[in-house]
Amino acid sequence: DTGVSQDPRHKITKRGQNVTFRCDPISEHNRLYWYRQTLGQGPEFLTYFQNEAQLEKSRLLSDRFSAERPKGSFSTLEIQRTEQGDSAMYLCASSLAGWASPDTQYFGPGTRLTVL
Amino acid sequence: AQSVTQLGSHVSVSEGALVLLRCNYSSSVPPYLFWYVQYPNQGLQLLLKYTTGATLVKGINGFEAEFKKSETSFHLTKPSAHMSDAAEYFCAVSVTTSGTYKYIFGTGTRLKVLA
Repeated sequence: DTGVSQDPRHKITKRGQNVTFRCDPISEHNRLYWYRQTLGQGPEFLTYFQNEAQLEKSRLLSDRFSAERPKGSFSTLEIQRTEQGDSAMYLCASSLAGWASPDTQYFGPGTRLTVL
Repeated sequence: AQSVTQLGSHVSVSEGALVLLRCNYSSSVPPYLFWYVQYPNQGLQLLLKYTTGATLVKGINGFEAEFKKSETSFHLTKPSAHMSDAAEYFCAVSVTTSGTYKYIFGTGTRLKVLA
């Protein structure tokens, strides 16, 4: 079990550019989540996939943000026309659906985005 | 709507002293509660969780937390702080919406351990 991995770990970009982040969940996990964490705050939920279906999106996820999980394995998060306010740590988590209790989410190391 | 409040954005303790990090929740249904730790430039690591059953939950690294429904609290404790405990700690509540289980996090408490 190699855990949740994210790539890249750091991204610096200029305002207006597009960026894409990748998340590889724990191999048998069918649920995948994206969160955003700004300085001094806790993570905030962005979106959630069960297998390849995107089942929930936060109002934080503007039209410039899009997420995919094409084969129910890895996921990508794309931000178009980046703005300075997009600077944050983007965290991915995965879990295995269960019946008896809520899933425990396992987090990756995050991608730190800096928009200049 | 569910929410989490962490009292004290910064807590300092001496090495060997008791650690107490406070978390209060708001939930209209029985909550599922979690504590995570985050070291600098890293993701979140699960310390412990409460779902049902025993209200005193033991986690990794000597941490434990007690669910108190009457006080809507889930405070995190450790009897004796170690230098390696210095990190940021997040309390979270699991929210059920249309069968999903997203987390609502508190704003975090940064723990500093003094030699």
